Amino acid sequence: AQKVTQAQTEISVVEKEDVTLDCVYETRDTTYYLFWYKQPPSGELVFLIRRNSFDEQNEISGRYSWNFQKSTSSFNFTITASQVVDSAVYFCALSEHNAGNMLTFGGGTRLMVKP
Amino acid sequence: EPEVTQTPSHQVTQMGQEVILRCVPISNHLYFYWYRQILGQKVEFLVSFYNNEISEKSEIFDDQFSVERPDGSNFTLKIRSTKLEDSAMYFCASTGRDRASGNTIYFGEGSWLTVV
Repeated sequence: AQKVTQAQTEISVVEKEDVTLDCVYETRDTTYYLFWYKQPPSGELVFLIRRNSFDEQNEISGRYSWNFQKSTSSFNFTITASQVVDSAVYFCALSEHNAGNMLTFGGGTRLMVKP
Repeated sequence: EPEVTQTPSHQVTQMGQEVILRCVPISNHLYFYWYRQILGQKVEFLVSFYNNEISEKSEIFDDQFSVERPDGSNFTLKIRSTKLEDSAMYFCASTGRDRASGNTIYFGEGSWLTVV
């Protein structure tokens, strides 16, 4: 069975600080996909990134970066120089190749960036 | 950029009433989903739909729930007799051709359902 754990329920930082959101997953499938979604106060789910299990290359997109470590089953998300607009709930999610596109979400991390 | 659209954005209904939530998936997508998020909790999978039939469903998706694709563009979720615990945000989502490739799932903005 697949499981996603986001141990940090809430993080508060001051603007311009760097912050890392942790995500640990469990799966028996050898092929799987990892995602991060952002949920701003307005409630929608905004796709940020998808990573395939066979691609451990880390990715950077502007102020966002992701560190995929298969050895520790982690897929952490770092925001560099955080801004107030980054305040949101961030969800990590997993889908297994043999389960189609059924996503299992973590519990989410609420990030508050203070000016 | 193409997007998934949902209506209504918010609905208040009395316990026991039927509710239909509507979704227009991205036009060239073939796989459709409903997810649910109870206030303050994680997002949970309800059902997936492909080729005019349910492909997977969770334990939450009991006989009170049904889905339908009545025409070429809409995808609906019906709750037959709502209960207080059905109060949640319901997200519609869709993805492209290849179910097994982990294609990105795009979510709509959600429909808040409040059962009173």
